[in-house]
Amino acid sequence: DTGVSQDPRHKITKRGQNVTFRCDPISEHNRLYWYRQTLGQGPEFLTYFQNEAQLEKSRLLSDRFSAERPKGSFSTLEIQRTEQGDSAMYLCASRLIRVNYGYTFGSGTRLTVV
Amino acid sequence: DQQVKQNSPSLSVQEGRISILNCDYTNSMFDYFLWYKKYPAEGPTFLISISSIKDKNEDGRFTVFLNKSAKHLSLHIVPSQPGDSAVYFCAARYGQNFVFGPGTRLSVLP
Repeated sequence: DTGVSQDPRHKITKRGQNVTFRCDPISEHNRLYWYRQTLGQGPEFLTYFQNEAQLEKSRLLSDRFSAERPKGSFSTLEIQRTEQGDSAMYLCASRLIRVNYGYTFGSGTRLTVV
Repeated sequence: DQQVKQNSPSLSVQEGRISILNCDYTNSMFDYFLWYKKYPAEGPTFLISISSIKDKNEDGRFTVFLNKSAKHLSLHIVPSQPGDSAVYFCAARYGQNFVFGPGTRLSVLP
């Protein structure tokens, strides 16, 4: 386990469909974060987990978005009834709570809603 | 309201010269700052950080300077190498999360 893995790398979906992304963090990392990045912008915070508990959600996370981390290991991010505005790169990151460096990011899932 | 700003979308530098990337922030509650580097089709990679109690941190060719009174930080890369060509994000910590700037695309020309 050398890094944060995200699956799939790319997803093209029709508007109105549901999509689910998966993130496998570095195994010893207890914090897991989801970010969204659109063209020309930096990553924007969506939500984060400490172990299995979802501790904070951004106002960017509408009711159509739900994230889970059922056993404190991998996490899923589901988007229901996708809209074209959901097209973005969805980044997962993890870190150890007591280590004062930044996150380790995955390579992201690029979502295109057509 | 962008709390972290990187006003230069792009920067070109000759190989061997110094690259200076700038970042400004508005929230005085930020207590920790980082720089990330991102290559195409990859996630951002942590580069270097600085606590708000320091004004300089150095790691090899990379040095980050923090001017708290001006709410400004900068990343210096000396000497610049073609492999440094990437998008650089400045990020600032508030509470448990980081706020990212929009990034600066650095091109190091051989």
